[in-house]
Amino acid sequence: DAGVIQSPRHEVTEMGQEVTLRCKPISGHDYLFWYRQTMMRGLELLIYFNNNVPIDDSGMPEDRFSAKMPNASFSTLKIQPSEPRDSAVYFCASSLWIWRVGGPGDTEAFFGQGTRLTVV
Amino acid sequence: KQEVTQIPAALSVPEGENLVLNCSFTDSAIYNLQWFRQDPGKGLTSLLLIQSSQREQTSGRLNASLDKSSGRSTLYIAASQPGDSATYLCAVYTGANSKLTFGKGITLSVRP
Repeated sequence: DAGVIQSPRHEVTEMGQEVTLRCKPISGHDYLFWYRQTMMRGLELLIYFNNNVPIDDSGMPEDRFSAKMPNASFSTLKIQPSEPRDSAVYFCASSLWIWRVGGPGDTEAFFGQGTRLTVV
Repeated sequence: KQEVTQIPAALSVPEGENLVLNCSFTDSAIYNLQWFRQDPGKGLTSLLLIQSSQREQTSGRLNASLDKSSGRSTLYIAASQPGDSATYLCAVYTGANSKLTFGKGITLSVRP
């Protein structure tokens, strides 16, 4: 498997424009996460999906942010309208949760290379 | 709410030194803990994963330990090399829904 694939790698856009970030998780993984990384705040979880269903979107900063996962192999994070303070690196990650009888499960997260977003 | 802390934020050591990176978390009800490495401008690479029932994991010169009851983990790097220079992040899985919470990382610089 090629790993988690994100596109584009870099995006420069003007304030007010719509931005769409894309992610292809590792095949077979049932969890998908969107993170944002900045120098000030580190890695912040924005939203995550389980089996294509959004589980927790409490990290999404504002209504300008939305995320979808129409199928198991594709997810998007959209910002509309974009603002300069949205400039950051956005990471997508996926994992497979393996349940174990009588005990906690086991999972490992794999990250994409990220999308560096600059809003001017 | 789970909080993960990594102190110090930056560390500089001479080549060859053995070193320990610390990670602490507030909610001990974790499923597992994962250490990552991030090179400048790059994504995150998984280094080690410790399940909640385990005490340590080893990979090459790296050894990670976990003390769940005290909410601590350490990453031990033996005989450090300049190529080890990077940011090291720890993250914990908390809750049945597999929520992964990160620390802010420790930026390591190994001087030749």
